[in-house]
Amino acid sequence: AQKITQTQPGMFVQEKEAVTLDCTYDTSDPSYGLFWYKQPSSGEMIFLIYQGSYDQQNATEGRYSLNFQKARKSANLVISASQLGDSAMYFCALGSNYKLTFGKGTLLTVNP
Amino acid sequence: EAQVTQNPRYLITVTGKKLTVTCSQNMNHEYMSWYRQDPGLGLRQIYYSMNVEVTDKGDVPEGYKVSRKEKRNFPLILESPSPNQTSLYFCASSLYPSGDQVPPYEQYFGPGTRLTVT
Repeated sequence: AQKITQTQPGMFVQEKEAVTLDCTYDTSDPSYGLFWYKQPSSGEMIFLIYQGSYDQQNATEGRYSLNFQKARKSANLVISASQLGDSAMYFCALGSNYKLTFGKGTLLTVNP
Repeated sequence: EAQVTQNPRYLITVTGKKLTVTCSQNMNHEYMSWYRQDPGLGLRQIYYSMNVEVTDKGDVPEGYKVSRKEKRNFPLILESPSPNQTSLYFCASSLYPSGDQVPPYEQYFGPGTRLTVT
């Protein structure tokens, strides 16, 4: 069975600072993908970044990077230079064999 | 415009009255999926479909049915809704991944359907 754990229900960060959102996972599948999605207060789900289990390099997309540590089964999201618009719920998800399992989310608040 | 549409966006119904939530995508995606989101639980996968006429259960399929007769449509059917199915429902679609990417790949989500069953 697949399992995703986000241990931080809420996080606060000052504008322009970097923040790391934690995600650990567990799966017995040798091939899998890790995703991060953002859900602002308006409710839509926005794809941020993807990391494949065989990818050698950590994924990056603009201000988002994924700190992938396979041996530790962690896939933390790093947001650099936080902006007020980054305030939202962030979900980590594990995908394998066509199934996708989400964590419970971390609510990020960016303070001016 | 590439998008996933869901209808209705809001629905209040009564226990036992059959309902269907429609989902349609215009991106020619093979993979489609339904999720429900409940406070404190994140999103949980209900059903998914790898292609036309190919569907399978997610983590919480009880009380739901799906069908995939056309590539673009993936309706969610609640034959006899109950109050514990009150939730926010999302439909999503994606292409099959290429190379070493593992399915499911990046998913495009619909706007969500807020269902209340009284």
